[in-house]
Amino acid sequence: DQQVKQNSPSLSVQEGRISILNCDYTNSMFDYFLWYKKYPAEGPTFLISISSIKDKNEDGRFTVFLNKSAKHLSLHIVPSQPGDSAVYFCAASGTTSGTYKYIFGTGTRLKVLA
Amino acid sequence: DAGVIQSPRHEVTEMGQEVTLRCKPISGHDYLFWYRQTMMRGLELLIYFNNNVPIDDSGMPEDRFSAKMPNASFSTLKIQPSEPRDSAVYFCASRDRWIAGETGELFFGEGSRLTVL
Repeated sequence: DQQVKQNSPSLSVQEGRISILNCDYTNSMFDYFLWYKKYPAEGPTFLISISSIKDKNEDGRFTVFLNKSAKHLSLHIVPSQPGDSAVYFCAASGTTSGTYKYIFGTGTRLKVLA
Repeated sequence: DAGVIQSPRHEVTEMGQEVTLRCKPISGHDYLFWYRQTMMRGLELLIYFNNNVPIDDSGMPEDRFSAKMPNASFSTLKIQPSEPRDSAVYFCASRDRWIAGETGELFFGEGSRLTVL
């Protein structure tokens, strides 16, 4: 069973507009959430994270929102740039339950059109 | 600082052959993870180690898969015998010890692309 789900396999956005990537999870024991970015032929790289005690975390053009009641998080990229074109993975971990592992979603391929 | 180093970057083999993938984590990191990336399942956790000890191998698909971490600076993922459905990109990742209240970043290697014919 997929505990972390990214239901949109791909997304296309015009340069300068907002990109919104979504992620849903099923396990209420998850307490940390992360977004990773992956370019072809490279390993995933960390982008931004959020603790379950917060509902928003911002870092430059990137903002992650967490809705615990809906078990949903989203990544907003504003403004989107062509260099943002990549596959984005969300991940969850449950440190308070002693589960020191990261569960990843299936990824969303973002294409930013110039 | 050197990142997570994986070898080989590419491996092409025939069905039934043994495959060994290697990983050198970032020095000082206590946790090491093996993931497999496929289109259908995304980044799938296979196994992770803490201080060289396997903690959770529930993601290892079959007995054909095995992983070892003989010391803090080296880990292997072995597939014997390999099958075409094992074709995927295999990633190794490491992180520092868990500190309460911190998320901690997982650092990935560049991956090993395996093709089983």
